[in-house]
Amino acid sequence: DVVMTQTPPSLSVAIGQSVSISCKSSQSLVYSDGKTYLHWLLQSSGRSPKRLIYQVSNLDSGVPDRFSGTGSQKDFTLKISRVEAKDLGVYYCAQTTHFPWTFGGGTKLELK
Amino acid sequence: VQLVESGGGLVQPGKSLKLSCSASGFTFSSYGMHWIRQAPGKGLDWVAYISSSSGTVYADAVKGRFTISRDNAKNTLYLQLNSLKSEDTAIYYCARRWSVDYWGQGVMVTVSS
Repeated sequence: DVVMTQTPPSLSVAIGQSVSISCKSSQSLVYSDGKTYLHWLLQSSGRSPKRLIYQVSNLDSGVPDRFSGTGSQKDFTLKISRVEAKDLGVYYCAQTTHFPWTFGGGTKLELK
Repeated sequence: VQLVESGGGLVQPGKSLKLSCSASGFTFSSYGMHWIRQAPGKGLDWVAYISSSSGTVYADAVKGRFTISRDNAKNTLYLQLNSLKSEDTAIYYCARRWSVDYWGQGVMVTVSS
């Protein structure tokens, strides 16, 4: 199975600050069609996960451009600029390139 | 897009349960669907996937015990859970398509005597 390693496990941030979350996979996430199926999800407290970014860097509809995703092969980063209170929660990376699909362990973003 | 799970509850070890996920707001028959679970206080754990043509794949932990299926006429996804174990206790989410773009609100399954 592809192991997804997220760091850090938690982040304390002040409103308006910028943060980055790393996600590393144990093997390349490039699929046979040339696309990379690495996605970022946010699970706010008591809610179901919501996808923010798909295929490394594409923002889902309604996601502010304060969010950005970069990376390739096995190394990916989610950056949040000018953090707002509604951004708090647990962020997960997810790979849907290789069966079985796997998730990172999560990064909890909290207020400082 | 709306996904609404139902059918959860408290069940004894070794027993069975059937979860449903009612879909609306999109052409259900055109999309693959997942079941993904989250044990209390833990991360996300993929369970099963069914393609639009009803091909299925399962996580090793549930293979042979769980069955994913779909009824396109009813716009509903199912997960039959048999031979339940305490480690199956979790919130079960349905999610749409290969790239998990939409998720339901989840349904709690508790396996305990």
